[in-house]
Amino acid sequence: GENVEQHPSTLSVQEGDSAVIKCTYSDSASNYFPWYKQELGKRPQLIIDIRSNVGEKKDQRIAVTLNKTAKHFSLHITETQPEDSAVYFCAASKLPYGGSQGNLIFGKGTKLSVKP
Amino acid sequence: NAGVTQTPKFQVLKTGQSMTLQCAQDMNHEYMSWYRQDPGMGLRLIHYSVGAGITDQGEVPNGYNVSRSTTEDFPLRLLSAAPSQTSVYFCASSKAGGAFFGQGTRLTVV
Repeated sequence: GENVEQHPSTLSVQEGDSAVIKCTYSDSASNYFPWYKQELGKRPQLIIDIRSNVGEKKDQRIAVTLNKTAKHFSLHITETQPEDSAVYFCAASKLPYGGSQGNLIFGKGTKLSVKP
Repeated sequence: NAGVTQTPKFQVLKTGQSMTLQCAQDMNHEYMSWYRQDPGMGLRLIHYSVGAGITDQGEVPNGYNVSRSTTEDFPLRLLSAAPSQTSVYFCASSKAGGAFFGQGTRLTVV
């Protein structure tokens, strides 16, 4: 089955710096890669996702890149702010034709701390 | 529009007791799933359902049962609680793409 590895497990940056979190996946058939942000005591929330027919996707200060050949994808956060502090999870899934959700397999998470 | 609603939010069980975690969604999503979250382990899939009447096992199904009699509801049953089942449980639903999570249930088995 699919296996998702996520690095680093903790990341500390100064406010205004960039943060990069990397994930690798094992199943070349996976075609959907979402990222979730989880604040302390809260539920995971989808922040950005990318499908395998796209190499990069951007939404304001966050971007995700995908390298299908190497089977890895990354989350980039620019101009970090203290409110970006949270645990971030990557995930991989196979979406069948028609779009119904396949099982999400998660990485173990990255705790991002942004120091003011 | 409430999204995904889980109850209870907190629960303490004694070893051997059974209980049901409730999950309901009002978005007419076909796919629903249950995850458990343990420190340093990420979110691990317990059971999932692709529609009413259809359920299947995820990565860590032992000790749990599910059923899906309606599109809206997907309860998770702990048959005989064990301390190893102490965790935070999340229900999620999705239609195409990213999952929407409930607020979670923090379960402690003593």
